[in-house]
Amino acid sequence: QKEVEQNSGPLSVPEGAIASLNCTYSDRVSQSFFWYRQYSGKSPELIMSIYSNGDKEDGRFTAQLNKASQYVSLLIRDSQPSDSATYLCAVLSGGSYIPTFGRGTSLIVHP
Amino acid sequence: DVKVTQSSRYLVKRTGEKVFLECVQDMDHENMFWYRQDPGLGLRLIYFSYDVKMKEKGDIPEGYSVSREKKERFSLILESASTNQTSMYLCASSSGGTNEKLFFGSGTQLSVL
Repeated sequence: QKEVEQNSGPLSVPEGAIASLNCTYSDRVSQSFFWYRQYSGKSPELIMSIYSNGDKEDGRFTAQLNKASQYVSLLIRDSQPSDSATYLCAVLSGGSYIPTFGRGTSLIVHP
Repeated sequence: DVKVTQSSRYLVKRTGEKVFLECVQDMDHENMFWYRQDPGLGLRLIYFSYDVKMKEKGDIPEGYSVSREKKERFSLILESASTNQTSMYLCASSSGGTNEKLFFGSGTQLSVL
């Protein structure tokens, strides 16, 4: 059974701080890793994808992947109240079309 | 931009009714998915389709069936709706590659009374 684990939170950070969201996965042959953001009452939307070890930056967002330790993280710099949402980690194994989702971490950015 | 359209944003049905949830994507994607999302349980896969007329059961297929007669359309059918099927239903699609992200529709909040 493939598992993706996330702390449900809520993670509360002040505006302007760095928010750090973490995700661990069980399947060692996982190849593709995604972070989706879901606002309350809305559907998930992709914000980052990462496929190789190391960091990938896109604006205020940085995804970090460590396959040896089987974790992937998302850093949000200069957090804004508009970043308040649930963040879903998703993992795809090699050769699979079906991602395994974590249950999500709720992030609250307070002014 | 890819668009995944779900036919209804809110639906209210009665126990025992047959319910159809429709999903259409406009990017010629091979893969389509139906999920339900409940508080504290995350996204759970109901059915997956990788081609026209092809389908695979997900984690919770009981009480549901699907139809994919055309590539762009994937329908979820509740043969006899029950109150425990009250949930948010999300359709998604992805292209044929194995590293592809999902594009989600806006969701259908179904209430079964």
